[in-house]
Amino acid sequence: DVVMTQSPLSLPVTLGQPASISCRSSQSLVHSDGNIYLNWFQQRPGQSPRRLIYRVSNRDSGVPDRFSGSGSGTDFTLKISRVEAEDVGVYYCMQGTHWPPFTFGPGTKVDIK
Amino acid sequence: EVELVESGGDLVQPGGSLRLSCTASGFSFSTYWMSWVRQAPGKGLEWVANINQDGSQRSYVDSVKGRFTISRDNAHNLLYLQMNSLRAEDTAVYYCARHPDRNFDYWGQGTLVTVSS
Repeated sequence: DVVMTQSPLSLPVTLGQPASISCRSSQSLVHSDGNIYLNWFQQRPGQSPRRLIYRVSNRDSGVPDRFSGSGSGTDFTLKISRVEAEDVGVYYCMQGTHWPPFTFGPGTKVDIK
Repeated sequence: EVELVESGGDLVQPGGSLRLSCTASGFSFSTYWMSWVRQAPGKGLEWVANINQDGSQRSYVDSVKGRFTISRDNAHNLLYLQMNSLRAEDTAVYYCARHPDRNFDYWGQGTLVTVSS
């Protein structure tokens, strides 16, 4: 199984400042079709997960452009250019390249300093 | 608008059984893979099972193989998860999720399963 790791696991941020979350996979996420199936989800307190980014860098409809995804191979990053109060929650990366099983990272908790 | 509504969660004793349902609306249900994903209290997300469009392909995480069965009723836009031989470690909120392109793009609100004596 592909193991996903994230760092940091806790990220206190100042409103208006940038934030960055790292995600690493135990093996390359490049699929034989050439795509990289690395996705990011946001889970606000008390809510269901919501997809933010799919295939490394594609933002979902309605996701603010302050969110961006990048990376390749085994190293990926989610960046928030200027953190807002509504960004508080837990962020998960997830790989869909090598399944079963689909695997998630442990989550990064973002809160306001 | 895509909507997924889970139901069936309950308190059940270890060794017991439960069937979860997910009612889908707002999209062509029969054309999508579907998945169940769970989240133990205070923990992260764990994919549980998926099923293809006509039900001919199913996959499970190792920890539930032989105990859980995913199924679907395309005529009624329903996804199911039959859970047998339940254990304390199966306690979680269970989400159904639409599952296109090796991804989960829409999630339900979840239903809580508690396994305890």
